[in-house]
Amino acid sequence: DQQVKQNSPSLSVQEGRISILNCDYTNSMFDYFLWYKKYPAEGPTFLISISSIKDKNEDGRFTVFLNKSARHLSLHIVPSQPGDSAVYFCAARDAGNMLTFGGGTRLMVKP
Amino acid sequence: DTGVSQNPRHKITKRGQNVTFRCDPISEHNRLYWYRQTLGQGPEFLTYFQNEAQLEKSRLLSDRFSAERPKGSFSTLEIQRTEQGDSAMYLCASSSTVGRPSDYNEQFFGPGTRLTVL
Repeated sequence: DQQVKQNSPSLSVQEGRISILNCDYTNSMFDYFLWYKKYPAEGPTFLISISSIKDKNEDGRFTVFLNKSARHLSLHIVPSQPGDSAVYFCAARDAGNMLTFGGGTRLMVKP
Repeated sequence: DTGVSQNPRHKITKRGQNVTFRCDPISEHNRLYWYRQTLGQGPEFLTYFQNEAQLEKSRLLSDRFSAERPKGSFSTLEIQRTEQGDSAMYLCASSSTVGRPSDYNEQFFGPGTRLTVL
């Protein structure tokens, strides 16, 4: 039973264009959402987060949108850069403290 | 402080052997988490500590697994009688409930220990 799903295993984008990574969840008790970026042979690196009381959070080139009614969140990267190529995981937290992760989306930004 | 560190980075063992991994969290982080990640999947929660108390354990944590954080600083994860299905990346993360509330939810991960059971 996957409570957090990233339905696109991979995404290819041209440098300078927008990258949109999507994530769906089923547990209505999740109250905080995070995006992590992971390079090979490294642990996940925190990127950006959003509380369930908000619908948007922006940090530089990265913006996360949350649609609670649809139980959907997305990460927008504008403009995309080759250094953004990595695996991106969305994660959700409920009243406990553990994070539930999606399966990841591999982003490839082509120069 | 350079972040969360984990040792060893790689471990190859034979089935049936015991292995132990160590995690050193970010200084003064009172929460420490263990996750497991298999190929093509996201990390899966195993257990977490607040200071030295183990507060939550996943059903993934079988009786062969034990984790400790004796002084509320570093933690160890031991797997007894390893099985081939234990092969995975074991990730440690830490977070703090002290300081800025905006930091409470962010877990900072170490580089992981990759376990291969032959």
